[in-house]
Amino acid sequence: ETGVTQSPTHLIKTRGQQVTLRCSSQSGHNTVSWYQQALGQGPQFIFQYYREEENGRGNFPPRFSGLQFPNYSSELNVNALELDDSALYLCASSSNRGRNEQYFGPGTRLTVT
Amino acid sequence: AQRVTQPEKLLSVFKGAPVELKCNYSYSGSPELFWYVQYSRQRLQLLLRHISRESIKGFTADLNKGETSFHLKKPFAQEEDSAMYYCALSPNSGNTPLVFGKGTRLSVIA
Repeated sequence: ETGVTQSPTHLIKTRGQQVTLRCSSQSGHNTVSWYQQALGQGPQFIFQYYREEENGRGNFPPRFSGLQFPNYSSELNVNALELDDSALYLCASSSNRGRNEQYFGPGTRLTVT
Repeated sequence: AQRVTQPEKLLSVFKGAPVELKCNYSYSGSPELFWYVQYSRQRLQLLLRHISRESIKGFTADLNKGETSFHLKKPFAQEEDSAMYYCALSPNSGNTPLVFGKGTRLSVIA
């Protein structure tokens, strides 16, 4: 069984730029959720994708957008980067078949300067 | 609004001492509660969930709906328990997003 993978591991961007983060879900999982974890905070829900459709969204502006592909992998896109976007971005995959267990990837550390 | 509160940022205990990591939540319905753990240089992983009523690595947690709490306990702490612990809430038992607390760092001193 392959676990959740994310790329890249680290990324440095300049304010105003755009970034794309990638996530491959665990084998057999059809749902991907993205979380932002600022320093010293718990993960905060951004949005969730199920069968290529957005299936819920947290309190994040529209410049945070995403995609899910037929193989259930996913992308998180952030436009017009701000300094406060510097954080660890976590992807979690899960299955909609009963057990509500989310399996997390190692995260992408984004630094905006 | 859903909220999870972990009042302690850092908890230090001696090896062999009992551990209790506090978690309180606010939610009007019947949520599902979880404890996640992150060991040094490892990814966030599920430790236990309240509906399983199981003990994992010696840890247990009981959901107290009256006090809206889900404290994590272990009778005898081990050095390998040192990690970051997050309490999380899901609004229902479906495939729904998690609301996390800010986490408590547990440090077990030899």
